[in-house]
Amino acid sequence: EDKVVQSPLSLVVHEGDTVTLNCSYEVTNFRSLLWYKQEKKAPTFLFMLTSSGIEKKSGRLSSILDKKELFSILNITATQTGDSAVYLCAVVGNFGNEKLTFGTGTRLTIIP
Amino acid sequence: NAGVTQTPKFRVLKTGQSMTLLCAQDMNHEYMYWYRQDPGMGLRLIHYSVGEGTTAKGEVPDGYNVSRLKKQNFLLGLESAAPSQTSVYFCASTYPRANSPLHFGNGTRLTVT
Repeated sequence: EDKVVQSPLSLVVHEGDTVTLNCSYEVTNFRSLLWYKQEKKAPTFLFMLTSSGIEKKSGRLSSILDKKELFSILNITATQTGDSAVYLCAVVGNFGNEKLTFGTGTRLTIIP
Repeated sequence: NAGVTQTPKFRVLKTGQSMTLLCAQDMNHEYMYWYRQDPGMGLRLIHYSVGEGTTAKGEVPDGYNVSRLKKQNFLLGLESAAPSQTSVYFCASTYPRANSPLHFGNGTRLTVT
């Protein structure tokens, strides 16, 4: 059965700090790993990673995938209070395993 | 430019009542999913569909049924609601391509008393 484990479960830091969120996974016929940010409502898409070692970057957020060790990290530099949210990691498979499996998320709180 | 639309947004049911949640997407996506989200549990997959007329069970399918009669719609049914089904339900859809992310609806908050 596919499995996604995120750590830490929660994190409280001060504005301006840098944080690293972790995601390890097990999935049959890996297709991609995705990161989402969830505030009040529906998750919003951040990154999709399919290849090892290629960093995806968007402003202060970046993410990288290691398919050999089966994990991904999400980095946020110079954190702001608007970064406070739950960050979700998910994996999706191929060839009959197209379901998307989510981890329980990391709740990030940024203190001004 | 609607994307993924869920109806209703809120609902309160009594134990034993039935209801159907509707998910509609206008992006011509092949894959559609139903998730439930409970505090501390993340998003758990209930059922999903990889195309019109096909459905499959996810992680927590018991107590729910689904149908995908039209490509753009994915219905989630509760035949006899139980308090354990109190949750926020999210529908999502995507293309069957490696670079296609999941698009979510805004959720349905269901309370079963």
